[in-house]
Amino acid sequence: GENVEQHPSTLSVQEGDSAVIKCTYSDSASNYFPWYKQELGKRPQLIIDIRSNVGEKKDQRIAVTLNKTAKHFSLHITETQPEDSAVYFCAASNLPYPNAGGTSYGKLTFGQGTILTVHP
Amino acid sequence: SQTIHQWPATLVQPVGSPLSLECTVEGTSNPNLYWYRQAAGRGLQLLFYSVGIGQISSEVPQNLSASRPQDRQFILSSKKLLLSDSGFYLCAWSDTRNGGQYFGPGTRLTVL
Repeated sequence: GENVEQHPSTLSVQEGDSAVIKCTYSDSASNYFPWYKQELGKRPQLIIDIRSNVGEKKDQRIAVTLNKTAKHFSLHITETQPEDSAVYFCAASNLPYPNAGGTSYGKLTFGQGTILTVHP
Repeated sequence: SQTIHQWPATLVQPVGSPLSLECTVEGTSNPNLYWYRQAAGRGLQLLFYSVGIGQISSEVPQNLSASRPQDRQFILSSKKLLLSDSGFYLCAWSDTRNGGQYFGPGTRLTVL
């Protein structure tokens, strides 16, 4: 099955700096890569996602890049703010579904999470 | 728009007691549904997923079970809770068209 490794486990930056979180995946069939932000005590929220047919996607201060050959993808946050402080999770999945092989059904394999702290 | 509900929000139960957590989704039909557990300070562990009424797949062996009696209702149950069942239980749904999973507000369960 799929295995997703996420680094670093903790990241501390100063307000205004950039933050980068990296993930690697093992299954070359994975084609959908979402990122989630989870604030303390809250639910994870989908903040950006990318499919394997594109290499980069941006949404204001956040961007995700994908390198299919190396099987890794990254989240980039520019001009960080204290409200960006949270746990960030990457994930990988194999779409479309239901899978003809009767396996994935859109299941996400999550990374272990990165605790991002932005200091004012 | 789609909305996902979970209840209760918090629950404190003694060891050995039963459990029933409910999740409902509005604004979509035939969603894939998922139950996750998150231990304090840890990642997301997929417990069960369902692609349709009565269709449940279990990811890990445990003393929990899941049921999907209606298209947009997903229930997590246990006959006898263990201390290790404590955690943050999250229900999620996914749109079969675009793949994103969307989480409910969660239930924080403490087993004493």
